[in-house]
Amino acid sequence: NAGVTQTPKFQVLKTGQSMTLQCAQDMNHNSMYWYRQDPGMGLRLIYYSASEGTTDKGEVPNGYNVSRLNKREFSLRLESAAPSQTSVYFCASSRTDGTDEKLFFGSGTQLSVL
Amino acid sequence: QKEVEQDPGPLSVPEGAIVSLNCTYSNSAFQYFMWYRQYSRKGPELLMYTYSSGNKEDGRFTAQVDKSSKYISLFIRDSQPSDSATYLCAMSRITGGGNKLTFGTGTQLKVEL
Repeated sequence: NAGVTQTPKFQVLKTGQSMTLQCAQDMNHNSMYWYRQDPGMGLRLIYYSASEGTTDKGEVPNGYNVSRLNKREFSLRLESAAPSQTSVYFCASSRTDGTDEKLFFGSGTQLSVL
Repeated sequence: QKEVEQDPGPLSVPEGAIVSLNCTYSNSAFQYFMWYRQYSRKGPELLMYTYSSGNKEDGRFTAQVDKSSKYISLFIRDSQPSDSATYLCAMSRITGGGNKLTFGTGTQLKVEL
């Protein structure tokens, strides 16, 4: 019963390097999300995908791109990493059929940009 | 001013104590209220979900919403060391997905033996 799986769990980048965070869910959920969590800031939405084939910006999209590869997978790309992107990143999914907002989160990726 | 305010703690209590965790909010349009629990180095997991005002009980946990005061609470009875975690409140105006949620910053709770 995997739920939401994120890779990698830890990553250290140098300023200017690029990387892609991977996320997959096995619950047949329509909606997927990328959040970042910083001390004192709480969870902030970066991008989301309400359904396969659509993506939209959240609260803090600058410096990121996303791809909804299929219903299961939603990736987050940092094209040119900056120290301000040092954070813990969480992927989440939900049914989003109007009945509830129950989010299922992955275990997170701890990213450090030096 | 943030839309949702939550004391970061840490809050330290002895095992068996009643714990009260709280959030205040400024947007009177919020109707859906949630509490998530986050263990260290893990993702948040939904603990309680309530709509509008009133109480909801699930085992040792009770969620309370007072819309007139724009104040929500999570009570934990007979607290256990396994309850040690960060508790995040979240709320939304309308139903329909995580993109509509506003999260608090979380309160760190430690239950000591």
